[in-house]
Amino acid sequence: DQQVKQNSPSLSVQEGRISILNCDYTNSMFDYFLWYKKYPAEGPTFLISISSIKDKNEDGRFTVFLNKSAKHLSLHIVPSQPGDSAVYFCAANGISNFGNEKLTFGTGTRLTIIP
Amino acid sequence: GAGVSQSPSNKVTEKGKDVELRCDPISGHTALYWYRQRLGQGLEFLIYFQGNSAPDKSGLPSDRFSAERTGESVSTLTIQRTQQEDSAVYLCASRQTNPGLAGGTGELFFGEGSRLTVL
Repeated sequence: DQQVKQNSPSLSVQEGRISILNCDYTNSMFDYFLWYKKYPAEGPTFLISISSIKDKNEDGRFTVFLNKSAKHLSLHIVPSQPGDSAVYFCAANGISNFGNEKLTFGTGTRLTIIP
Repeated sequence: GAGVSQSPSNKVTEKGKDVELRCDPISGHTALYWYRQRLGQGLEFLIYFQGNSAPDKSGLPSDRFSAERTGESVSTLTIQRTQQEDSAVYLCASRQTNPGLAGGTGELFFGEGSRLTVL
């Protein structure tokens, strides 16, 4: 049961343009959402997060939008830079069957910025 | 160091052998996760430790996989009788609890992973 879905395995964007990465979830009890970025041979690193009580959070070139009614969030990167080329994972925080906080990750989207 | 530390960084083993992977989380982090990423795949949840609560083992793929954690410190992931399909990067991550408190980001800090190759 994939509760967090990233339906686009890859995305290519021209340098300077906007990159939009999408994520859908099924569990309405998720209360926090995060985006991670992963370079090859490195562990994922935190990028930006958003609480379920908000619909937008912005940090520099990165903005995350949350649409709770659609159970959809997106990450916007503008302007896109070559260093943004990486795999991006969406993650959602909820309560596990054991009553503890638990992060569930999507399968990732590989973003390639074309110079 | 201040980050999550994993060892070994690379492990090559023969099919059928047991392997043990180690994770040192960030001091004070009560939550610890193990994930794995097989080639071309996403992050696959394996197991989750939260303080002294019973671990969530729902992601372990078979009974050949087990993990332990001593209090809120080191964790070891053990794979018995390794198979070729176990080849992957095994990632450990830790964080504080309750990501919504005190303006926390809920950030999970990852180690660099242990790359396991089963021949």
